[in-house]
Amino acid sequence: EVQLVESGGDLVQPGGSLRLSCAASGFTFSNYPMHWVRQAPGKGLEYVSAISGDGGATYYANSVKGRFIISRDNSKNTLYLQMGSLRVEDLAVYYCAREGVPGTNDYWGQGTLVTVSS
Amino acid sequence: DVVMTQSPLSLPVTLGQPASISCRSSQSLVFSDGNTYLNWFHQRPGQSPRRLIYQVSNRDSGVPDRFSGSASGTDFTLEISRVEAEDVGVYYCMQGSHWPWTFGQGTKVEIK
Repeated sequence: EVQLVESGGDLVQPGGSLRLSCAASGFTFSNYPMHWVRQAPGKGLEYVSAISGDGGATYYANSVKGRFIISRDNSKNTLYLQMGSLRVEDLAVYYCAREGVPGTNDYWGQGTLVTVSS
Repeated sequence: DVVMTQSPLSLPVTLGQPASISCRSSQSLVFSDGNTYLNWFHQRPGQSPRRLIYQVSNRDSGVPDRFSGSASGTDFTLEISRVEAEDVGVYYCMQGSHWPWTFGQGTKVEIK
């Protein structure tokens, strides 16, 4: 059974940093690109970042480019999102999701809440 | 970025009646491999999104056949043939043809 479990969400002050993790199980992690998607409270969904299966290619939304870094450790079956220079508008539930086949996400984690507030 | 425009944003429906949600993309979603990466997701309050449809019209395993997807150019439609109580929630279209992938605003389906 495919499982994605996010962790690391917390309350952080504006300008602060946080690292999110997503532990994957039930599939060969290194074979799949992975994504981070976020959802502000009561709002819609926004793609944040993506990474290829081998970690060699990364993609970022303009809203986080230069502040967030996506990475993965295939030996640990874990996806990461290093978040820096956090802003109030980064407040959201962050989901990790698997790109099972091109152009879509078939499995999603339960999400982890990042709160940015002074 | 590709803009995905959904309508309506709110859809009150009667149990057992059909429902339809539209989604228009600001540019073609035909990828270089010839596929059209248009997906539909359903999200209930407090839950993660669940994919219903991928590549315009392919239903995910376990998705009832009352759900169907179609396309005409840059216009996409999700249809529910007979709405059931479990279908309430927010429906999102999403394009995976151009990075950044983008979602529509969401359509909230509720029972009248």
